[in-house]
Amino acid sequence: NAGVTQTPKFQVLKTGQSMTLQCAQDMNHNSMYWYRQDPGMGLRLIYYSASEGTTDKGEVPNGYNVSRLNKREFSLRLESAAPSQTSVYFCASKPSGSSYNEQFFGPGTRLTVL
Amino acid sequence: AQTVTQSQPEMSVQEAETVTLSCTYDTSESDYYLFWYKQPPSRQMILVIRQEAYKQQNATENRFSVNFQKAAKSFSLKISDSQLGDAAMYFCAYRNTGANSKLTFGKGITLSVRP
Repeated sequence: NAGVTQTPKFQVLKTGQSMTLQCAQDMNHNSMYWYRQDPGMGLRLIYYSASEGTTDKGEVPNGYNVSRLNKREFSLRLESAAPSQTSVYFCASKPSGSSYNEQFFGPGTRLTVL
Repeated sequence: AQTVTQSQPEMSVQEAETVTLSCTYDTSESDYYLFWYKQPPSRQMILVIRQEAYKQQNATENRFSVNFQKAAKSFSLKISDSQLGDAAMYFCAYRNTGANSKLTFGKGITLSVRP
């Protein structure tokens, strides 16, 4: 099992450009999440999907859109990138059932917006 | 909304010694889950230990243990016999219960280990 995979690992954008961060998991998990990590801020939830076909806003959704393409894939789109979106982005997944279940994280994408 | 506070941004420990990382949280719920994650320089998030709020017994995983004080809303992580590989950022996290449960993270603490 590859676990949670993210592409790309690194990306540099210019202000106003758009891009999609891809995430896939092969663990048959129902729930998937997108976080951003900024220095001194911990991980903050952008969007999540409790199950295929549903998405909900997290703590910092502005400037982002998501698509739960199928059970495996959950993408994050920046329509018009801004320097404030420079961050490390993590995708995660969790099996359904108890909230005690471990949440698994991808390796992260480092995004720089110039 | 739940909040998780890690007030110490950095700590240092001598190899083979014991260190305790502090975490407090705020919630009005009685049932919830608490986690400690480790993030080494590779950036990979690794689950270290977890605790169910309704269990009074403190969780332990090898050299890692927690001191869970529910009334005080405190959840500290103790690392015994510290090793160089323990150097990392550590995040405390809270998860509520229910179908739409979400993890709320603290800001993290950077732990360095002196040889």
